[in-house]
Order: sequence, then structure tokens, then C-alpha cells
Amino acid sequence: AQTVTQSQPEMSVQEAETVTLSCTYDTSESDYYLFWYKQPPSRQMILVIRQEAYKQQNATENRFSVNFQKAAKSFSLKISDSQLGDAAMYFCAYYVGYGKLTFGQGTILTVHP
Amino acid sequence: DVKVTQSSRYLVKRTGEKVFLECVQDMDHENMFWYRQDPGLGLRLIYFSYDVKMKEKGDIPEGYSVSREKKERFSLILESASTNQTSMYLCASSSRAENTEAFFGQGTRLTVV
Repeated sequence: AQTVTQSQPEMSVQEAETVTLSCTYDTSESDYYLFWYKQPPSRQMILVIRQEAYKQQNATENRFSVNFQKAAKSFSLKISDSQLGDAAMYFCAYYVGYGKLTFGQGTILTVHP
Repeated sequence: DVKVTQSSRYLVKRTGEKVFLECVQDMDHENMFWYRQDPGLGLRLIYFSYDVKMKEKGDIPEGYSVSREKKERFSLILESASTNQTSMYLCASSSRAENTEAFFGQGTRLTVV
């Protein structure tokens, strides 16, 4: 079974600075999908970014980008120019199939003004 | 605006009660899911359904059942609530296509006393 590990329970960053959230996973598949979801205090989970394993290029969505290292099974999220609205719980997730996701433990991100 | 709606944001139930958590989606999605969220454990899949009247066990189905009589509605049932079922419950839906984004409800925080 696939597993996802987020080793940073909490992270903090100053507004306008850059922060990187770590995620590692374990799988025997060669083609798969990875996601980062954000859960703000409102509890509404929002998709931040997705990566397809067969694509060499790292995904980017505005201030959010990933560092996808397939051989190392690492999938970190970089947030540039951090904003107060980025404060949330962030979950890394592996797409299992049939729409199912396996989630990591989550990282709480605090943004200091 | 796509929407997954959970019937309650907060619930308090007594040990031994039968509890129903309701979820409705308006996106005509085939797949629906119930996850449980606990601190330090992330989200864990309880049950999922890929079609009306179809259901499959997830990673932690013990103590739970589900019902999907209509495509848009997916119910989670706690047959006899116990204190260890105190948790946040998240419903999600997605289309049948591969690598598709899952859309989440706002969660139900259930307390069993």
C-alpha cells in the first residue's frame, strides 16, 4: 500500500518570505499523481497543485511550485512571497485510483506579519 | 460554483446513539468519499462509492456503514456511536476521470459523549 509522510507538523514563515513544506511517499507504481491540498481555518479543503509522475517538469501555480524528485520519492511544496492568507494546514496526497487519495499527516503553516 | 454540502458543521451525540452524517454534491460526480481527520493522522478513508448503490470499504471502515441511494447523496452511518469516533468527518466527491480533483465539504466535527 502507498504511504505518504509529512515530517514537519508545524512550519512558520514571515510574510513575503519563501517556505518549503516536505513530503515523501512510498509506491511501487511508475505512473501516478500527487497533490497538495490546503485546509484553512474555514475547514474547506482546496486543491493547491497537482503533479503527474510521468511529467519531468515541476508543476507551478502562481506563487506555488513543487520540487518533484521521482527517484527519491519526494514531493515538496514551495510557497513564494508568503501571504497571511496562506496560513492553513497543508496536506500532501497520493492518488490511489478510483478517485481515492492517501494523505500525509499534514503541516500547519503559520504566517507572521 | 461547485459544491459539496455536509448537513452539519457540529454535532454532539451520546454513546450508543445511531448517527447519520449526510453529504450532497451538485456536480453529478460518480465518486463520493467519507474521510476521517484526526490530528497527527491526516485524513483516512472510511468508505467510498463509485456509483449509486455501490460501496467499498476504505482503510478504517469498522464501526461505520454508508448508503448511496441517489447519485448526489452519500450518507455515513455510525450504528452505535462510541467516544473513539469523536473526530472531524469530511465528505468529498470526484468525477470518474483519472487524476481528477476531489472536492470537499466543510466537514462535520462530531463529538460523542
